[in-house]
Amino acid sequence: QKEVEQNSGPLSVPEGAIASLNCTYSDRGSQSFFWYRQYSGKSPELIMFIYSNGDKEDGRFTAQLNKASQYVSLLIRDSQPSDSATYLCAVNTNNNAGNMLTFGGGTRLMVKP
Amino acid sequence: GAVVSQHPSRVICKSGTSVKIECRSLDFQATTMFWYRQFPKQSLMLMATSNEGSKATYEQGVEKDKFLINHASLTLSTLTVTSAHPEDSSFYICSAIVSGISTDTQYFGPGTRLTVL
Repeated sequence: QKEVEQNSGPLSVPEGAIASLNCTYSDRGSQSFFWYRQYSGKSPELIMFIYSNGDKEDGRFTAQLNKASQYVSLLIRDSQPSDSATYLCAVNTNNNAGNMLTFGGGTRLMVKP
Repeated sequence: GAVVSQHPSRVICKSGTSVKIECRSLDFQATTMFWYRQFPKQSLMLMATSNEGSKATYEQGVEKDKFLINHASLTLSTLTVTSAHPEDSSFYICSAIVSGISTDTQYFGPGTRLTVL
């Protein structure tokens, strides 16, 4: 069973702080890692992906990947109330149909003004 | 990012009727699309993988005769919920894969909220 684990939260941070969202995965063969944001009642939207060890920055978001530890994280700098959402970590796996994503259960983030 | 559309965005129907949901890739061709279901406050659940020109691959526990999937073209997949019942009320979301230089990326449609009375 290929698993992706996230703390369900809620993770509560004050406005302006750094929010740190963590994710672990079990399949060592995974190559690509994705972070999605899902607002309540809406579908997930892609924030960013990473496939090399280290950090990848995009605006206020930084994805961090450590394949040896099977760990990927998302940092949100200068958190805003509009960042309050559920953040889904996804890891690519291969099944009989080809590439597909295995999703974690999501971490609910609450940014308080 | 790539655009995936779904129609309708919301549907309310009587128990026993069938409902068809369309998923379209608007500016790219998608040989593979996915159908998910999400109940309130729960995680995304993959229902099936839709492959253009071949039969869909269903996840364990998903009835293929209940949830009919047709992927007749490279830009359209349809999910038909046959003889819908109140327990089928859920948020149905499709996604499509965009092949990139470094990795394949999955983009989601806006979802269809189904309410069965």
